[in-house]
Amino acid sequence: EVQLVESGGGLVQPGGSLKLSCAASGFSFSGSAIHWVRQASGKGLEWVGRIRSKANSYATAYAASMKGRFTMSRDDSKNTAYLQMNSLETEDSAVYYCTRRSPDSSQGWFDAWGQGILVTVSS
Amino acid sequence: QSVLTQPPSVSGAPGQRVTISCTGSSSNIGAAYDVHWYQQLPGTAPKLLIYGNTNRPSGVPDRFSGSKSGASASLAITGLQAEDEADYYCQSYDSSLSASVFGGGTKLTVL
Repeated sequence: EVQLVESGGGLVQPGGSLKLSCAASGFSFSGSAIHWVRQASGKGLEWVGRIRSKANSYATAYAASMKGRFTMSRDDSKNTAYLQMNSLETEDSAVYYCTRRSPDSSQGWFDAWGQGILVTVSS
Repeated sequence: QSVLTQPPSVSGAPGQRVTISCTGSSSNIGAAYDVHWYQQLPGTAPKLLIYGNTNRPSGVPDRFSGSKSGASASLAITGLQAEDEADYYCQSYDSSLSASVFGGGTKLTVL
């Protein structure tokens, strides 16, 4: 069974940092691109960014509003992807989902999702 | 303001048919990028409903169907059931933004 499990969320002060993890199982993690999508309370889905596989040079891309503040990485030996979030703003408060894109192309779709993890940025 | 435009809400009685539109532009749907649809039940993660404009993953009832024409796409749901009450999102790729993009979401209410 394909499974993605996020962890590492919580309450952080504005300007602070947080690192989310996404543990994968049930599929070839090393060959998959992992994307992050967030959803503020009562709002819609917002693409955060992605990290591709080793075969695609672990290339990363980010939404404009997160570029320079968020960094994605992965450890294929642990089947885990990470989202490092720095200089957090109150507007970054949301449920963060990791998701698998299949196939790994601009035409791909998100066919597996984690349960989501809540990040709250507040003083 | 979402790159892809969806109606905020639609409603229908049990057994009826409803459609949800998703309007894009020449840098996303109109540029021949595929449209995918997701269903999000209250308090849960999104679930893939339609991929590649018209295809249903295994396990999705054939009451759900997708179509695409030009810079727009639509999701149709026939034989509405109470369990279909959820938020629905379209998704594509935008070449100007070099980013995946979502519609703002449509809340379906089954009357």
